[in-house]
Amino acid sequence: SQQGEEDPQALSIQEGENATMNCSYKTSINNLQWYRQNSGRGLVHLILIRSNEREKHSGRLRVTLDTSKKSSSLLITASRAADTASYFCATDARGNTPLVFGKGTRLSVIA
Amino acid sequence: GAVVSQHPSWVICKSGTSVKIECRSLDFQATTMFWYRQFPKQSLMLMATSNEGSKATYEQGVEKDKFLINHASLTLSTLTVTSAHPEDSSFYICSARDPRTGSLRTEAFFGQGTRLTVV
Repeated sequence: SQQGEEDPQALSIQEGENATMNCSYKTSINNLQWYRQNSGRGLVHLILIRSNEREKHSGRLRVTLDTSKKSSSLLITASRAADTASYFCATDARGNTPLVFGKGTRLSVIA
Repeated sequence: GAVVSQHPSWVICKSGTSVKIECRSLDFQATTMFWYRQFPKQSLMLMATSNEGSKATYEQGVEKDKFLINHASLTLSTLTVTSAHPEDSSFYICSARDPRTGSLRTEAFFGQGTRLTVV
């Protein structure tokens, strides 16, 4: 079942600008993960944030998690044309359970 | 690190034929693997959970007789799309976790995906 909702569904920005994508979910989680997918390709794991963490950084990526609001955001700073892709959040419950993906945000970075 | 390999990466088949997709965990044993399907410009939807040595668990709306899952060993799960039709054309992707790392590392590993086109 799909439980994550990302917004916006599509985002178009100029190179150098920051891109922010949001994700909301419905149930309790162990962690939340963000993935990137280039058109027609597989998934690339970007970053994982645990339920007891509020913010995490990795290079140009910054992820926040607010478990009280059941929401997360992904910020890509100084975007590049190569960042053009779809970005998905995925929630992870405890145990050997499948990730549940949000609907995704299609990001277009215009050079 | 742990790797999940999926084969083939793409396949074109005629309507009515069957297609088998393999998902292998290369350096860990996976008692459970997950199969997802992704239609164009949509998200990944869980199809089924593949359990080694027992029957797969299918999500609501997924036909178990059409999408046959066999988890014959701790490193291999297969998804067979039987009597494929054009509406089955999609991107299929498998996932597994490395159980050795316990709860400290919960990243799921994904295969490269298989793009199925039924003509």
